[in-house]
Amino acid sequence: KNQVEQSPQSLIILEGKNCTLQCNYTVSPFSNLRWYKQDTGRGPVSLTIMTFSENTKSNGRYTATLDADTKQSSLHITASQLSDSASYICVVSQTGANNLFFGTGTRLTVIP
Amino acid sequence: DAGITQSPRHKVTETGTPVTLRCHQTENHRYMYWYRQDPGHGLRLIHYSYGVKDTDKGEVSDGYSVSRSKTEDFLLTLESATSSQTSVYFCAISERDSNTGELFFGEGSRLTVL
Repeated sequence: KNQVEQSPQSLIILEGKNCTLQCNYTVSPFSNLRWYKQDTGRGPVSLTIMTFSENTKSNGRYTATLDADTKQSSLHITASQLSDSASYICVVSQTGANNLFFGTGTRLTVIP
Repeated sequence: DAGITQSPRHKVTETGTPVTLRCHQTENHRYMYWYRQDPGHGLRLIHYSYGVKDTDKGEVSDGYSVSRSKTEDFLLTLESATSSQTSVYFCAISERDSNTGELFFGEGSRLTVL
């Protein structure tokens, strides 16, 4: 069964600290993996898209990693800011199918 | 920000009434999607369109219909709303299919069915 699981479900960190969010997937055959940020009451916004051949991709203070062998990805946030408070959603695309598999997200709260 | 407008943004209705949600884009993207987002679930695809008058079902299409008569508009209709359709609905667009194309989401439409 094609699934995307994220951990932790929620996370609280102090402003300025780093954190890492995890995504494990069983989607096959794999096409690409995406991370989205969703602010409360808003639509998801793309942070990164990684294909099979990409191990790391950065977008400012956000760095995503992908291990296609173990089917794991992580999103590392450096020097967190209050504006990083949001849900982060991992999405995996399956080759040959016009469908995406969404994780349920990690709710990150950054406190002063 | 991608030019996507959803309307209405909030709606409260009663069981059994018809409801239509509208998605309007100014990007001229070929693909348009309707998703629903519920607590404990990832976003789930309801229907999508790959061109004017070309639509297909997604994972949770029962109870929903769609229409796309113009490139810029994609309508989602609940013929007879039920409480299980209380959700937040997101429209998304992409230049290529969702497999390879980047998805841009609207701000969402919160629907409450009493």
